[in-house]
Amino acid sequence: DADVTQTPRNRITKTGKRIMLECSQTKGHDRMYWYRQDPGLGLRLIYYSFDVKDINKGEISDGYSVSRQAQAKFSLSLESAIPNQTALYFCATSDGLRQVGYTFGSGTRLTVV
Amino acid sequence: AQTVTQSQPEMSVQEAETVTLSCTYDTSENNYYLFWYKQPPSRQMILVIRQEAYKQQNATENRFSVNFQKAAKSFSLKISDSQLGDTAMYFCAFGAGGTSYGKLTFGQGTILTVHP
Repeated sequence: DADVTQTPRNRITKTGKRIMLECSQTKGHDRMYWYRQDPGLGLRLIYYSFDVKDINKGEISDGYSVSRQAQAKFSLSLESAIPNQTALYFCATSDGLRQVGYTFGSGTRLTVV
Repeated sequence: AQTVTQSQPEMSVQEAETVTLSCTYDTSENNYYLFWYKQPPSRQMILVIRQEAYKQQNATENRFSVNFQKAAKSFSLKISDSQLGDTAMYFCAFGAGGTSYGKLTFGQGTILTVHP
């Protein structure tokens, strides 16, 4: 099994619909992150969480919300999806003790029509 | 806030040759880390190499090496003996220490194509 699992892998949804992207990890890490990837813009941070009771906005949090249900689970919601939220979304985890980089999930390709 | 810039949207190289991908960053931090990630067509993000800013020695991982110029805030990736499997998007990333510890800032990415 993958260390970081994202579901769904691909999703098409309609404008105005609520959608949740889920992420779970088996690394035992406290720190979890949500990014979106757009062509020419790289990966941009949406939200991050350093433990279950700690949630922080990233640089592009408008239109998104998150829930940290447990150390291993971190969900991203789009309350009312719009077409410019069409992107590749990544969940990642990191070790809180050492800056060794992220372990990424395999991404969710979201298309809003 | 930190920024990371990759000025080469696309690069190409012949198999077995060497290619260098550029990355510059801007920060006021003194304690930080730099990374290169590879994203093949499978879209999985794979860590290629990591550099700690306090180490003057450039990091090396097999055919991958970096040229870290701290004063110039430059962090380029050199791929030697390029292979077809190196075809991917490459992202440079910056991670600060201190209260921002853990968060990474990514560049725009460089698409590398290795030709047979």
